[in-house]
Order: sequence, then C-alpha cells, then structure tokens
Amino acid sequence: DGGITQSPKYLFRKEGQNVTLSCEQNLNHDAMYWYRQDPGQGLRLIYYSQIVNDFQKGDIAEGYSVSREKKESFPLTVTSAQKNPTAFYLCASSLGGRSSGANVLTFGAGSRLTVL
Amino acid sequence: QKEVEQDPGPLSVPEGAIVSLNCTYSNSAFQYFMWYRQYSRKGPELLMYTYSSGNKEDGRFTAQVDKSSKYISLFIRDSQPSDSATYLCAMKGAGNMLTFGGGTRLMVKP
Repeated sequence: DGGITQSPKYLFRKEGQNVTLSCEQNLNHDAMYWYRQDPGQGLRLIYYSQIVNDFQKGDIAEGYSVSREKKESFPLTVTSAQKNPTAFYLCASSLGGRSSGANVLTFGAGSRLTVL
Repeated sequence: QKEVEQDPGPLSVPEGAIVSLNCTYSNSAFQYFMWYRQYSRKGPELLMYTYSSGNKEDGRFTAQVDKSSKYISLFIRDSQPSDSATYLCAMKGAGNMLTFGGGTRLMVKP
C-alpha cells in the first residue's frame, strides 16, 4: 500500500541533543513537507521541498534542518537550538507543480518528541 | 488575528445529531478549501476538498464555502461515535502553502 512512514513514533530527548525524525514515502510524490502541531495552534510549516536537492524554510524553521537527497526521503533534524521542541511532528507529501493534486496533502502518522 | 479561525471545542453531541463545524478566514485570495479529520495520535486524513464557492456532498458529509462571507462549514449528518476526532480546516490561494485552522475537537456520545 502506498503511504508515508514516519519513525520513530515516540522519541525522548535530553536538552542539548540533536535528534532526527525519519519520513519516507512511496507515493511517487514530488513535494514533501514537515509540520509541527501544538495543542490549539493547528499545523505550522517548518520546511518543505518541491524537488530533490532543494528545500525552503516555512514559517517556523529556526532550530530545524532538513535534507532531500532522495525523492522518497525527507528527514527532519531538531537541533539543540530549537528552544521548545516538545511537539507532535507531521510529515506530508503531495504531487508537485500546479495540478489540483498539488493542493492535497497526504500525512504520515506523526512522531511525538518529548524533551526531558 | 489569525488568518484562519476555528473554534477549538470540544463539541459534544449525541449519536445521530447533525454536526456543524465552521471556519472563518481573512485572506480573500484563498480559493481551495479542505477539511481534514485527525484521530487521536494519528496524522490528519483528507475528508473533503472544494474549489471556490458552493456545496459538495459525500455520503454523510457536506462541505460548504461562502467566499463572500469568508466562511466555510462542514456538516455531518447522522453522526456516529466513530466520527469523534479533531477536524481541521485548511485553505490556500494559487501558488502558496496551505494555511490550517487550529482544529475543532468533536465528541459523539452513544
């Protein structure tokens, strides 16, 4: 079945540590996204990538980094510079370009990061 | 003021009730409107997708867009306990990213 796989589902981090969240898709989608979800605040865009080897900052990119070396993979690193990293992180993908499918995101099941 | 406003709830209704979920927005450039359903500790899944104004029906779900009032709605008929989830509205204009509402938590009680 086609879909998006995020891992790990739950992650605990000590302050000062970097952690990397994995996101893999087999939908053959060109575009991939990382969102952060906090209670009552909806989804906020961290980074997005519309093509391999290219990515752009979203609304809250500070303290995060990404790479897009393969079409299927878009890992997110939460660095020690992120002041409040405890949150639910969602990866998504969509068709690229200006087709109507580019408006529709398919989400993974999420990764919950807790800083101890 | 947020670009997209959504009442966080929780909204509690008895099984079989008609549910109305709403979002208001301020950006008149928004043309594409979506509703996502998110179960606890899961990722959102697309429920309805509409372009511009009008109604769209899919089974027990009806999405309504009123661009003149900058107001969108999702109606759920004959609500079921399995409809208990958080409902997120999302919208975008041409060529930019989706903007999400904060989500409304719905509880349907048997």
